[in-house]
Amino acid sequence: ETGVTQTPRHLVMGMTNKKSLKCEQHLGHNAMYWYKQSAKKPLELMFVYSLEERVENNSVPSRFSPECPNSSHLFLHLHTLQPEDSALYLCASSQRGGGDSPLHFGNGTRLTVT
Amino acid sequence: KNEVEQSPQNLTAQEGEFITINCSYSVGISALHWLQQHPGGGIVSLFMLSSGKKKHGRLIATINIQEKHSSLHITASHPRDSAVYICAVSNTDKLIFGTGTRLQVFP
Repeated sequence: ETGVTQTPRHLVMGMTNKKSLKCEQHLGHNAMYWYKQSAKKPLELMFVYSLEERVENNSVPSRFSPECPNSSHLFLHLHTLQPEDSALYLCASSQRGGGDSPLHFGNGTRLTVT
Repeated sequence: KNEVEQSPQNLTAQEGEFITINCSYSVGISALHWLQQHPGGGIVSLFMLSSGKKKHGRLIATINIQEKHSSLHITASHPRDSAVYICAVSNTDKLIFGTGTRLQVFP
């Protein structure tokens, strides 16, 4: 399998639930990212990991908790979310961090918080 | 005002038409990306450029660093080109995204 794979594709959760989003890349990339995409807004960077170390936390609420156990896997743990957190969550990877190498995106997880 | 502005926001075209999508930015950049997002949500990187022009199939991307402007052209457009096209610029190790241009090509 190649590219960036995200699971699940769709997720509906209540505000008291705990769930996790998973991302896997088989491209040998060193940087991985979580982005949030809400309707009619630009993509918002949430977290960046470079060589498994978190290098960016873009003022994201603590109810979102990332985990990068190795350079191929990235998780986003979710707990006590709010309805306004409903959005498309996209994982991406690149050879290097910093925006100067092409990004490879997964297909995203469409999250609905009820 | 956003640091990355795209125009138009929405665009409809007939199959076969030549299409231009514009991106203007107000910050210094080291690279500019054009991305394509299909209705299913997945995003594909089309181009990354820092000067001049790049071509891939029916797609052409140009950038004018002095004018802080880039264009994405689609020649002989096809319904399968219908998607949202997103411009992003690399600035101080971060990517700044535009809000996208929604393109619909009708047969």
